Amino acid sequence: DQQVKQNSPSLSVQEGRISILNCDYTNSMFDYFLWYKKYPAEGPTFLISISSIKDKNEDGRFTVFLNKSAKHLSLHIVPSQPGDSAVYFCAAKFQGAQKLVFGQGTRLTINP
Amino acid sequence: DADVTQTPRNRITKTGKRIMLECSQTKGHDRMYWYRQDPGLGLRLIYYSFDVKDINKGEISDGYSVSRQAQAKFSLSLESAIPNQTALYFCATSSPGQGGGYGYTFGSGTRLTVV
Repeated sequence: DQQVKQNSPSLSVQEGRISILNCDYTNSMFDYFLWYKKYPAEGPTFLISISSIKDKNEDGRFTVFLNKSAKHLSLHIVPSQPGDSAVYFCAAKFQGAQKLVFGQGTRLTINP
Repeated sequence: DADVTQTPRNRITKTGKRIMLECSQTKGHDRMYWYRQDPGLGLRLIYYSFDVKDINKGEISDGYSVSRQAQAKFSLSLESAIPNQTALYFCATSSPGQGGGYGYTFGSGTRLTVV
């Protein structure tokens, strides 16, 4: 059973606009959430994270929002740039553990 | 040099063959992981190891085995490869105390095709 779900396999956004990637989870024991970015022929790289005690974390153009009551998090990229075109994975960590559970990934394409 | 090196980068093998994927790291991390990526399924954990004497099964360990030869080396074996093991395989490392998973460092992946 998929505990972390990214229901949109792909997303296309115009350069300069906002990209919003969504992620839902089912287990309330997750205490930390992360977003990873993956380019072709490379491994995933860490992008941004948020603790379950917060509802927002911002890093430059990237902001992650967490809605615990809805078990939902989202990644906002503003403004979107062509270099943001990649696959984005949402991941979650159980309290007291370090191994991660990943979502299916969303392929983001930024159009010029 | 990359922090986490996976070899080979690409491999085509026949059904029933034994194959080993290797991972080595220079991060000095104790914890190492093997994940596989499949379209529509994301990254799924196969095995993980928190130190040389510690090996744990992940969510999809059937058909796989691992060996932690040293702190820096963690290899994944397919004893008898089958076509549905065709996937992109990633090794990753992390260090306790870094919190969450931002301590995860991934290798560049091994693309395995079983024909």
